[in-house]
Amino acid sequence: DAGITQSPRHKVTETGTPVTLRCHQTENHRYMYWYRQDPGHGLRLIHYSYGVKDTDKGEVSDGYSVSRSKTEDFLLTLESATSSQTSVYFCAITRLDRSTEAFFGQGTRLTVV
Amino acid sequence: DAKTTQPPSMDCAEGRAANLPCNHSTISGNEYVYWYRQIHSQGPQYIIHGLKNNETNEMASLIITEDRKSSTLILPHATLRDTAVYYCIVKGDSNYQLIWGAGTKLIIKP
Repeated sequence: DAGITQSPRHKVTETGTPVTLRCHQTENHRYMYWYRQDPGHGLRLIHYSYGVKDTDKGEVSDGYSVSRSKTEDFLLTLESATSSQTSVYFCAITRLDRSTEAFFGQGTRLTVV
Repeated sequence: DAKTTQPPSMDCAEGRAANLPCNHSTISGNEYVYWYRQIHSQGPQYIIHGLKNNETNEMASLIITEDRKSSTLILPHATLRDTAVYYCIVKGDSNYQLIWGAGTKLIIKP
């Protein structure tokens, strides 16, 4: 299995509070991604990173920000959590941006109450 | 929106071959077909991908029709651990994003 660790694995937070999810990789892969998955749906891309301090938006980026200060860590922040952000969040890594397989973390289940 | 169409669910007997179809009639010449699966509550797992030739690895085989408008993922000897949601995804080299549909829920029965 690819060395990807997501933390925390589960979190319950209150509406309006900031939340940060962490993705840590030991593979030295350049590209990292944050997805969310809602019941009965496939994954949707939130943000991605193509290098240290290089990030860009995905299709559902509103309400989220990211940072990547080191190759191995990619942080996802919900600036002011809302109930619509209750979801399972997955981090993924790839060696290249445009081909080959993606490796996924085990997910973070976030509940906003 | 996803560029693929898959049946929502399928059953297969344990030990038999599981054949999962996928339609991608609008696929472009430089787009690959990727297959991932997601076992309950876990992160998705890469299975296989191909462009136009059939591909095989230790997990599965991928059969792509000559016109590339459809493909079939074959799990040769399904086990109970293959019960999962299987996603067929079309992606070109010019983009970074995997566009996920709802996938096929495959249930392997003893």
